[in-house]
Amino acid sequence: DVKVTQSSRYLVKRTGEKVFLECVQDMDHENMFWYRQDPGLGLRLIYFSYDVKMKEKGDIPEGYSVSREKKERFSLILESASTNQTSMYLCASSLWASGGNTGELFFGEGSRLTVL
Amino acid sequence: AQTVTQSQPEMSVQEAETVTLSCTYDTSENNYYLFWYKQPPSRQMILVIRQEAYKQQNATENRFSVNFQKAAKSFSLKISDSQLGDTAMYFCASIKYNTDKLIFGTGTRLQVFP
Repeated sequence: DVKVTQSSRYLVKRTGEKVFLECVQDMDHENMFWYRQDPGLGLRLIYFSYDVKMKEKGDIPEGYSVSREKKERFSLILESASTNQTSMYLCASSLWASGGNTGELFFGEGSRLTVL
Repeated sequence: AQTVTQSQPEMSVQEAETVTLSCTYDTSENNYYLFWYKQPPSRQMILVIRQEAYKQQNATENRFSVNFQKAAKSFSLKISDSQLGDTAMYFCASIKYNTDKLIFGTGTRLQVFP
């Protein structure tokens, strides 16, 4: 059974703390993504990575950074958490679209972060 | 730029009935894919159905079917014989062919009542 696993389902952090959200996939996918999900706003792309050590900014990268040291692992980092980063964070992976794939995403269960 | 619009924040349907969720999109591309994803409460998002824009035939997956109107840039999802397990957030999404980034709509929360 293929899986995308996010390390924490629920986190509570304080303003100014550094936060790490970890994501691991076992499908040997090239692409990995971090989305933020907020009511009424849908899913917004924060960052994505198409290869190890490669990353591209999505639509809302401000206040976030990412790390991809290994193909299966993609980390989202909040350098100094703020209350407006309270949200649900979804990790996803996919095969390269240029390989003839259709871009289907496989999602983790999500990490709900609350910043106090 | 691609955009995806879902104008129904919430919908409800009785078990065994049929419901249609609306989606419109805007793109200047000729080749693209459209998707419907389902996010059950507290569970991970999964793909429900996929449509290639170059195919005129509407995609069907069991009780789920789409009405793809390319000229109108409309892509609605029809759920037949609704089941309690269909209760979920449904997201419409699009992607340009040979690219890797999906664009999502804002979602429709569907509640199926017994």
